Amino acid sequence: KNEVEQSPQNLTAQEGEFITINCSYSVGISALHWLQQHPGGGIVSLFMLSSGKKKHGRLIATINIQEKHSSLHITASHPRDSAVYICAGASGSRLTFGEGTQLTVNP
Amino acid sequence: SQTIHQWPATLVQPVGSPLSLECTVEGTSNPNLYWYRQAAGRGLQLLFYSVGIGQISSEVPQNLSASRPQDRQFILSSKKLLLSDSGFYLCAWSVGWSGAKNEQFFGPGTRLTVL
Repeated sequence: KNEVEQSPQNLTAQEGEFITINCSYSVGISALHWLQQHPGGGIVSLFMLSSGKKKHGRLIATINIQEKHSSLHITASHPRDSAVYICAGASGSRLTFGEGTQLTVNP
Repeated sequence: SQTIHQWPATLVQPVGSPLSLECTVEGTSNPNLYWYRQAAGRGLQLLFYSVGIGQISSEVPQNLSASRPQDRQFILSSKKLLLSDSGFYLCAWSVGWSGAKNEQFFGPGTRLTVL
């Protein structure tokens, strides 16, 4: 069983919809990273959080340490948000990655 | 500003041939460096990380090796490639040492196909 579980695996939305991607993690993970991978493969770090909530533009990330759960929200989704979103748990010197969520936003 | 380079961008190699992928970082000193692999349809997997010149930690047993001959250079190698080595290889760096709690910055990646 992976230490980091993401859901859903695939998500299709219409432009403008509110998107939520969920991530659950196991004991021993002290921080959560959210990454975005574009079709060409390039990866961009979106957030790193160990408590509370962070916001950047239309993206919001939250983490609940007691429940070992994090969510990534996208407000007013746009086709350019289409990508794979990956959560990764930090434990010691290593990151453990979820399988990723393929998001497709249709115009 | 900091930048990270990887080359080559794509590579097709026969089984049993050697491999050398290079990663260099500019604009920062003493970064932590990481090699990841993403196999087709699978998540990212940490292969190696380095906290300094000549210091390499291996996460998974395999026929790959890593070296850090200079502060901002990280090399991934193999003496004999296997079919299972095919995948997308990503180099990343982070600042400071609080484990993986620092933000990591990823290179553009190398897509390796072993035939």
